[in-house]
Amino acid sequence: RKEVEQDPGPFNVPEGATVAFNCTYSNSASQSFFWYRQDCRKEPKLLMSVYSSGNEDGRFTAQLNRASQYISLLIRDSKLSDSATYLCVVWGSGGFKTIFGAGTRLFVKA
Amino acid sequence: SQTIHQWPATLVQPVGSPLSLECTVEGTSNPNLYWYRQAAGRGLQLLFYSVGIGQISSEVPQNLSASRPQDRQFILSSKKLLLSDSGFYLCAWSVSGPQDTQYFGPGTRLTVL
Repeated sequence: RKEVEQDPGPFNVPEGATVAFNCTYSNSASQSFFWYRQDCRKEPKLLMSVYSSGNEDGRFTAQLNRASQYISLLIRDSKLSDSATYLCVVWGSGGFKTIFGAGTRLFVKA
Repeated sequence: SQTIHQWPATLVQPVGSPLSLECTVEGTSNPNLYWYRQAAGRGLQLLFYSVGIGQISSEVPQNLSASRPQDRQFILSSKKLLLSDSGFYLCAWSVSGPQDTQYFGPGTRLTVL
């Protein structure tokens, strides 16, 4: 089992749609969680950190489910500019090891 | 504000040639620095991590090496490139350890022929 797994997609959605991504992780001791966004041939950029209580930033909502070991990202009212690859990032205890998921591709269509 | 620079932006090198990629950070002191590689269609793989000058942790044994000669300078090197070294190389920094948010440079796209 991979340490961090994401559905590669692609997710093709119309503008205005709501779309959700999940990411599962294998290390139950993982402590820090993030969602990054990566545009084609560009560097990843932080979208949001994921807190235990869940957090929201505008149209984006992140949730953490420790019991089932997954994090989620919900995008409401999708925009064309949301088209990108979304990377799930997990850091666990023991050693300096940050694990990036391979990413989920999202295409938002007019 | 903090900025991170990488160069070159793109590089095409023959197999067996040496490599030197440079990363510098501005606007912060004693950053934690990272080198990642992203192969086509794959996730980021952590290659090296540094908490300070001369302190390097290697995550994946391979024909690459890293050095940190100055506080805000991180260099990735190879004596002899392999075809499998092709990829997108990203430098990142964080204020504290890898549990913290990491900020990425623009990357170097390396093609080994």
